Amino acid sequence: ETGVTQSPTHLIKTRGQQVTLRCSSQSGHNTVSWYQQALGQGPQFIFQYYREEENGRGNFPPRFSGLQFPNYSSELNVNALELDDSALYLCASSPGTVRGTGELFFGEGSRLTVL
Amino acid sequence: GQQLNQSPQSMFIQEGEDVSMNCTSSSIFNTWLWYKQDPGEGPVLLIALYKAGELTSNGRLTAQFGITRKDSFLNISASIPSDVGIYFCAGHLYGGSQGNLIFGKGTKLSVKP
Repeated sequence: ETGVTQSPTHLIKTRGQQVTLRCSSQSGHNTVSWYQQALGQGPQFIFQYYREEENGRGNFPPRFSGLQFPNYSSELNVNALELDDSALYLCASSPGTVRGTGELFFGEGSRLTVL
Repeated sequence: GQQLNQSPQSMFIQEGEDVSMNCTSSSIFNTWLWYKQDPGEGPVLLIALYKAGELTSNGRLTAQFGITRKDSFLNISASIPSDVGIYFCAGHLYGGSQGNLIFGKGTKLSVKP
């Protein structure tokens, strides 16, 4: 069973640029959530994708967008990067069943630094 | 927005000691979860709680879902060096999307051998 994998692991961008982060969900999981974790903080929910559609969103501006593909993998796109976007971006997958709500399987994250 | 207050922020304990940490919320949650994060890794689920009053164990870990639905605690018995890491509580609000969890700021645990 393959776990959640994310790429790239580290990247550096400058203010105003755009970034795309990728995630492969765990085998058999059809739901993907994205989180932002600033240094010294807990993860914050960005949004969730189920059946290729966004079905839940946290308090993040529209320049944070995503996609889910038929194989359940997902992308997080951030436009017009700001310094405060520097963080660890975590992808988490779940099986999409009602029982097991909140039982997320996280990847190791993509560390984004915005200069 | 909703916030979780997690305490203590950090703990330094001797190997073999028991550990207790807790989490409180201003909102009612229908699920409480506890995750552990090691450096350079994503959080890993330790325990999930689904009913008010529920007490659940996972090896040396025990967690409880508070009766008011606004709090939870995690106990670790007989700590060992590999317990080092950051422990996060997380809550799921009724009606929220499945992956939408609210996390606390974490309790950093250090264990002296």
